[in-house]
Amino acid sequence: GENVEQHPSTLSVQEGDSAVIKCTYSDSASNYFPWYKQELGKRPQLIIDIRSNVGEKKDQRIAVTLNKTAKHFSLHITETQPEDSAVYFCAARDFNKLTFGTGTQLKVEL
Amino acid sequence: DAGVTQSPTHLIKTRGQQVTLRCSPKSGHDTVSWYQQALGQGPQFIFQYYEEEERQRGNFPDRFSGHQFPNYSSELNVNALLLGDSALYLCASSSVGQGYTFGSGTRLTVV
Repeated sequence: GENVEQHPSTLSVQEGDSAVIKCTYSDSASNYFPWYKQELGKRPQLIIDIRSNVGEKKDQRIAVTLNKTAKHFSLHITETQPEDSAVYFCAARDFNKLTFGTGTQLKVEL
Repeated sequence: DAGVTQSPTHLIKTRGQQVTLRCSPKSGHDTVSWYQQALGQGPQFIFQYYEEEERQRGNFPDRFSGHQFPNYSSELNVNALLLGDSALYLCASSSVGQGYTFGSGTRLTVV
């Protein structure tokens, strides 16, 4: 089955800096890669996603890149703000299920 | 508002008991997936329901079962509860060509 690895597990940046979170997946059949933001005690919220026929996608301060050959994808957040502090999960979909990474605790410091 | 409604929000059960969790999907979504999220972990796929049938199942024992109704809502049942079943149970709805929308979850505590 699919296996998703996510790094780093914790990330601390200064406000205004960029943050990058990286994930690798194992199953070449995976074709959809969403990123979720989860604040403490709340539901995961989709922040951006990318399909396997696209190499990059951007939405304001957030971007995702996908390298199908290397089976890795990354989340880039620019101009970070304190409200970006949360746990971020990457995921890969093969067939009908999402397999999640282990999460990255992002802390944006003033 | 997420559009996906789960009930109850919190639940405390004793080992050996049975529990039923409920999910109403986002309007326009016909597929419901259930995930278990232990503290500090990513969500783990339990199973997915489509057209009232279990379409795919993750690595969970038969104590975990589910159902989908004609209105697309779904239930997750867990029998013979163990302490290790304590977790946040998330429901996600989706439809063809659309992403997954998660509900706020049910926090289950087994004592």
